[in-house]
Parts: sequence; structure tokens; C-alpha cells
Amino acid sequence: GGIITQTPKFLIGQEGQKLTLKCQQNFNHDTMYWYRQDSGKGLRLIYYSITENDLQKGDLSEGYDASREKKSSFSLTVTSAQKNEMAVFLCASSMGQNNQAPLFGEGTRLSVL
Amino acid sequence: GDSVTQTEGQVALSEEDFLTIHCNYSASGYPTLFWYVQYPGEGPQLLFRASRDKEKGSSRGFEATYDKGTTSFHLRKASVQESDSAVYYCALSDDTNAYKVIFGKGTHLHVLP
Repeated sequence: GGIITQTPKFLIGQEGQKLTLKCQQNFNHDTMYWYRQDSGKGLRLIYYSITENDLQKGDLSEGYDASREKKSSFSLTVTSAQKNEMAVFLCASSMGQNNQAPLFGEGTRLSVL
Repeated sequence: GDSVTQTEGQVALSEEDFLTIHCNYSASGYPTLFWYVQYPGEGPQLLFRASRDKEKGSSRGFEATYDKGTTSFHLRKASVQESDSAVYYCALSDDTNAYKVIFGKGTHLHVLP
């Protein structure tokens, strides 16, 4: 079976810092996603990538950059961390066709001091 | 844009109680609908999906029926167990953009022994 690996699992940053989160999948899936999870707000789509070198903005893309370097990896950069920010960032992947359900990693938990 | 509304933020039940979590959607096309479950420290995992009107999805005793008339996909279980305590998410992907998957805010289910 495949797996989605997110690194790091925990990330502590400073206000104004640029922070990068990484995601790898070995399902050979075409489509990958980054979601942000906040208590009471559910999962909000930041970026998704239909295939290698493609980037699509979600509803929450402001303040973030993304990069799909190769089919198996998708990274997310917080361009300037906000003070007291706390959230979980979830990476997911899917075959991307016929409305396939995304499969999720375990998340990266971000805290900004 | 497309959206998913889950009415209940928190639900508290006793074991063997009947569960209903309400999900209504708004979509420009003909969406595929999903239910996910998330346990603490893990990523969301797919319970089931439904792609057309009147289709019933089911898994682990949970079920939901796609209702295009009322734009709903309510999650039900006849008899909940303490192990069902988790966060449940309703989600959709629209046929106008099958790659973009939108989630609701989630419903935290607490089942008391």
C-alpha cells in the first residue's frame, strides 16, 4: 500500500519567518492538495496541483506559495508567519479523475511564537 | 462558489443512540459527495462517496443518501459506539472542476459510554 508522508510533523516558527512544509506520496497519484485545518473552520483548500508543474489556487492561497517539483512531491511555503498562528496543514493526493476522493497524510502542526 | 454546510458543530450522544449529522451543499454542477472521518492525531479518511441522485453510500454502519432535490447528504448511524467519537466532514467535488474538493466545517461527535 501507499503512504503520504508530511515533514516535519511539528513546526515552530517566529513571526515574519518563511516556513516550508513538504509532502511526498508513493501512490503515483496525479493530483495533490494542501489544506489548512483550524478548529471550528474545517478544512480550507490552499493550493492544489493537477499534475507535475501545475499549480491551482484554492480559496485560501493568499500568504502561501506552493511548488510541485515532481509527481510525487508537493511543498507549501508560508511566506510570512503570523504571530500566535496555530493550525494543522494537511496534504492529500488522488488519481484526480472521475471525482476521486483525496487520501490524506497525518498533517504538520504549526505554531508561531 | 461551491460550498458545504454542516449544521452541527458538536454532537454528544450516549452509546446505542441514533446519529444524524446534517450536510447540505451548494454547487454549480452535479457534484460527487463524500463523508470523511478524522481521529485525533490522524488525517481524515474516506468513509464513502456518492455520485448521483438517490445513490446510498455506506461503511462501518454509517450511511448517507444523495438527495439532489434537497441538496443534502445527511450522515446516519442506527447505534453509535464510543469508538465512533471523532470529527466527521462532508465534502464535494463538482463536475465543473472535478479536481477541486471542498469540505464543510466538520462535526465533532462525542459518544459517552
